[in-house]
Amino acid sequence: EPEVTQTPSHQVTQMGQEVILRCVPISNHLYFYWYRQILGQKVEFLVSFYNNEISEKSEIFDDQFSVERPDGSNFTLKIRSTKLEDSAMYFCARTRTGTTEAFFGQGTRLTVV
Amino acid sequence: KNQVEQSPQSLIILEGKNCTLQCNYTVSPFSNLRWYKQDTGRGPVSLTIMTFSENTKSNGRYTATLDADTKQSSLHITASQLSDSASYICVVSAESGNTPLVFGKGTRLSVIA
Repeated sequence: EPEVTQTPSHQVTQMGQEVILRCVPISNHLYFYWYRQILGQKVEFLVSFYNNEISEKSEIFDDQFSVERPDGSNFTLKIRSTKLEDSAMYFCARTRTGTTEAFFGQGTRLTVV
Repeated sequence: KNQVEQSPQSLIILEGKNCTLQCNYTVSPFSNLRWYKQDTGRGPVSLTIMTFSENTKSNGRYTATLDADTKQSSLHITASQLSDSASYICVVSAESGNTPLVFGKGTRLSVIA
């Protein structure tokens, strides 16, 4: 099973600060996703990314969020001005195609104080 | 609205016993159904992935069934072990391509000695 690496594993930030979460790509995986899981709740879809473009996003993914994959390097999720309710586990997932196995990273635990 | 419902919400069983977890979905058009195991604070790990034409699929002590007509799936765990304690999440993909996965809330399984 391909390894999916996310960094950092845990980040604490003050409300209003910007955070960047990173996901290390695998060359033959074309589809990238970000999901979040608030403590005790189910996993929620944020955004999918294909061919260096956002292909779909949820209502959660508002103007405070952005994703990019600069120069084919890390796949990043940026939260511009964090709020307390952004505290959650953020998972990166990748697939070779839209219907094959989705492999999840270990997640980044974001704590906004 | 695409939804995935799981039952029971939580379950406690003795080590060595069998159990069955249920999943109902209203996702359409259906592409595939996945069962994931998620340990606390970790990313989901895939157990099985089933397409429309598959009725059952096994992965070691895990056996998943799918009835696409009634839109129901089950995950059967035989001879449970303490390490099976985790959340088991049913996830449905709506269609081919990069459509995001629709997650259930999961069943929290606790296996006790």
